[in-house]
Amino acid sequence: DGGITQSPKYLFRKEGQNVTLSCEQNLNHDAMYWYRQDPGQGLRLIYYSQIVNDFQKGDIAEGYSVSREKKESFPLTVTSAQKNPTAFYLCASSMSSGRQYFGPGTRLTVT
Amino acid sequence: GIQVEQSPPDLILQEGANSTLRCNFSDSVNNLQWFHQNPWGQLINLFYIPSGTKQNGRLSATTVATERYSLLYISSSQTTDSGVYFCAVKGMDTNAGKSTFGDGTTLTVKP
Repeated sequence: DGGITQSPKYLFRKEGQNVTLSCEQNLNHDAMYWYRQDPGQGLRLIYYSQIVNDFQKGDIAEGYSVSREKKESFPLTVTSAQKNPTAFYLCASSMSSGRQYFGPGTRLTVT
Repeated sequence: GIQVEQSPPDLILQEGANSTLRCNFSDSVNNLQWFHQNPWGQLINLFYIPSGTKQNGRLSATTVATERYSLLYISSSQTTDSGVYFCAVKGMDTNAGKSTFGDGTTLTVKP
C-alpha cells in the first residue's frame, strides 16, 4: 500500500519539551516537505529536502529542525525554542518539484 | 516572494449547483496545484496544472499563466465536496521546493 504516513495522529506535550514528528513515504519520491497549518489559515513551509542528506529552510524554520538520512524518512523536531508550537503539521512528498502528495497530518498540542 | 490570492474566501451552495473558484498569483509560475482539504484535515491533490485545462470527473481546472490566474470548476456539487480548496504555486525565481499556498476557499454544500 503506497503512500505517506505520519505518526502519531495526535500528540500532547508539556511546554519546554522537544518533540519529534514522524513522516515516512514509500512512493520513491526524491523531495519531502514539512508544513504548518494554524486554524483557518493556509499552509506555511517549515523545511524541505530535495535529496538525501540535504535540506533547506522554508519560510518559518525558526524553532524547528529536520534530518534526511534516508530517502523515505523526513522527521521534524519541534524544539522548545518554537514559541507557538501548537498547530497541525503536514508532511508531503513529490518527484523533483512536481505534484505533491500529503500525509494525514499530526495535531500537536503543547500546554 | 510570490503572492497568492484566492476568492471567494467562503462559498455556500445547494447540492447540485455549479461553482467557480479563483486563484490569482503575482508573478510567473512553473508549478500550480489545486488541493481539497476534507474536514479531517487530509489534503488531496486535485490537479497539477501550470498551464492549460484539465478535467477529472465533475472537476476541471484552467490556468492562464500569461494572465496569472487559475480557475477551479466544480459541477453538480455534492455534500462530499465540502471542505477547503487551496491553490499552491511555485514561482519561476524561487528554489524548486518552495510552494506558496493561498488562504483557501471554504466550500459548504448543503443537502
